[in-house]
Amino acid sequence: DQQVKQNSPSLSVQEGRISILNCDYTNSMFDYFLWYKKYPAEGPTFLISISSIKDKNEDGRFTVFLNKSAKHLSLHIVPSQPGDSAVYFCAASDGNTGKLIFGQGTTLQVKP
Amino acid sequence: SQTIHQWPATLVQPVGSPLSLECTVEGTSNPNLYWYRQAAGRGLQLLFYSIGIDQISSEVPQNLSASRPQDRQFILSSKKLLLSDSGFYLCAWSGTGLSSSNQPQHFGDGTRLSIL
Repeated sequence: DQQVKQNSPSLSVQEGRISILNCDYTNSMFDYFLWYKKYPAEGPTFLISISSIKDKNEDGRFTVFLNKSAKHLSLHIVPSQPGDSAVYFCAASDGNTGKLIFGQGTTLQVKP
Repeated sequence: SQTIHQWPATLVQPVGSPLSLECTVEGTSNPNLYWYRQAAGRGLQLLFYSIGIDQISSEVPQNLSASRPQDRQFILSSKKLLLSDSGFYLCAWSGTGLSSSNQPQHFGDGTRLSIL
């Protein structure tokens, strides 16, 4: 059973516009959520995280929103840049073990 | 600052051969260490995690094993590789302490393993 789901395998956005990447989870025990960015043949790079006690966290062009009632989080990138083109993974942790459960990833393409 | 090293970057092995992938972390003490596999077109699957020397938990039954001979060294091994062991293997570390469960994991650059 997939506890963390990214239902959109790909997303294409024009440079300068907003990119919105979505993630849904099923386990209500998850209390820490993260977004990672991955280029081909490289390891994922940590982008931004959010604790379940918050509903928004912002870092520069990146903002993560958490809707606990809907068990949904999203990553907003604005303005999008061609260098943002990569695979984005969301991940969740249940707080007891510290282990991360990853979604399948969404490939973002930002067109110049 | 902390860094994580994985090697080799790519590896081609025949079916039935042994495997040893190494991961080391610098700049931190007593990290939590993790091995993941990313199969083609899929997300990251946790294989092993370790909270200390000789303290290793396996997440899925498989043909692989892990060892932690030193605090900052994590090794992924197999005695006999299967075709299904092909994939992209990633090592990661995170901090420890009271809030260790709410700390990001930081990944190495991975090893692309192809089994022929």
